[in-house]
Amino acid sequence: ETGVTQTPRHLVMGMTNKKSLKCEQHLGHNAMYWYKQSAKKPLELMFVYNFKEQTENNSVPSRFSPECPNSSHLFLHLHTLQPEDSALYLCASSQVLNSPLHFGNGTRLTVT
Amino acid sequence: QKEVEQDPGPLSVPEGAIVSLNCTYSNSAFQYFMWYRQYSRKGPELLMYTYSSGNKEDGRFTAQVDKSSKYISLFIRDSQPSDSATYLCAMIPNTGNQFYFGTGTSLTVIP
Repeated sequence: ETGVTQTPRHLVMGMTNKKSLKCEQHLGHNAMYWYKQSAKKPLELMFVYNFKEQTENNSVPSRFSPECPNSSHLFLHLHTLQPEDSALYLCASSQVLNSPLHFGNGTRLTVT
Repeated sequence: QKEVEQDPGPLSVPEGAIVSLNCTYSNSAFQYFMWYRQYSRKGPELLMYTYSSGNKEDGRFTAQVDKSSKYISLFIRDSQPSDSATYLCAMIPNTGNQFYFGTGTSLTVIP
């Protein structure tokens, strides 16, 4: 495996479910990010981790909870989501904070 | 006013055409500029990375930055059907803490 890997690729969940998105990077990078991509909108930064420490929480609702156990792994825990949270969730990594991003292929989330 | 403006298209061109994709921005502090290509059902892939004003060429792709006009461009020469994708511009200030993205331009190259 190379690059940034995200699982699952697709996820359908009800508003009362709890699920987690997983991201793993094999690039030896020190920074990891969660972005939300919705149609006709720019990428929205959600969370940033630098050397496992959270450096940015971009006013994200508490129903999204990130976890970064080490520099290679990033999780996004989801609970009691709303239909408007349906989107493509992209994980990215970079060698150092704010150097060019390398993205995974995303998790397409649908909240019913 | 949005930080970064990008025409969403869609843009449709015949194979072999020269394609010009553009973004404008409002923050004069932006110093680093990127272009990403995103195929359907894939994540964005870094195409070009430039610092400050000027041109950068990589194969059929040329990135151009005009800081005085707050305008960046990506030119694709001899466009191919495999270039069909959404192109995102992104930028960040020298001492910035986050990237600012355009909404993306959808490009289709017709064989």
